[in-house]
Amino acid sequence: DQQVKQNSPSLSVQEGRISILNCDYTNSMFDYFLWYKKYPAEGPTFLISISSIKDKNEDGRFTVFLNKSAKHLSLHIVPSQPGDSAVYFCAASARGNEKLTFGTGTRLTIIP
Amino acid sequence: DTGVSQNPRHKITKRGQNVTFRCDPISEHNRLYWYRQTLGQGPEFLTYFQNEAQLEKSRLLSDRFSAERPKGSFSTLEIQRTEQGDSAMYLCASSLAGAREKLLFGSGTQLSVL
Repeated sequence: DQQVKQNSPSLSVQEGRISILNCDYTNSMFDYFLWYKKYPAEGPTFLISISSIKDKNEDGRFTVFLNKSAKHLSLHIVPSQPGDSAVYFCAASARGNEKLTFGTGTRLTIIP
Repeated sequence: DTGVSQNPRHKITKRGQNVTFRCDPISEHNRLYWYRQTLGQGPEFLTYFQNEAQLEKSRLLSDRFSAERPKGSFSTLEIQRTEQGDSAMYLCASSLAGAREKLLFGSGTQLSVL
């Protein structure tokens, strides 16, 4: 039962353009969502998060959008840089049960 | 504090052997989590502790797996009678209770069972 889904295993974007990574969830109890970035042989690194009381959160080049009715969130990176090349995981948690449920990841490649 | 530390970074073992991994969380963090990641998948929750109490275990954690966190500091994850299906990266993370955005991961232990 995949409660958090990232349907695009990979994405290639030209340097300087916008990268958009998508994530869908099925569990309506999730109220907190996070994006992690992961390089090979390293643990995931926290990137940005959003609470279900918001529909947008911005931090520098990174913006996360949440559409609760569609149970969908997206991560926008603009402008994309070569150092952004990594695997990005969407994760979710429910209040009172704070373990994270992760998606399967999207490998982002930024083309110079 | 240098972050969440995991040892060893890599472990190769033969099927049927026992292995133990160690995680040293950030010192002031009272929550400690273990996750497992296999190729092409996201990290999957295994278990977590608040201080020394193990509060939840996933169905993924068979009776061959045991985790401890004595004195609420470091934690160990032991796998007995390893199987090839146990090959994965084992990730440890720590946080303060309630600080969901502050979950910090270690670099993981990559286990290969031959």
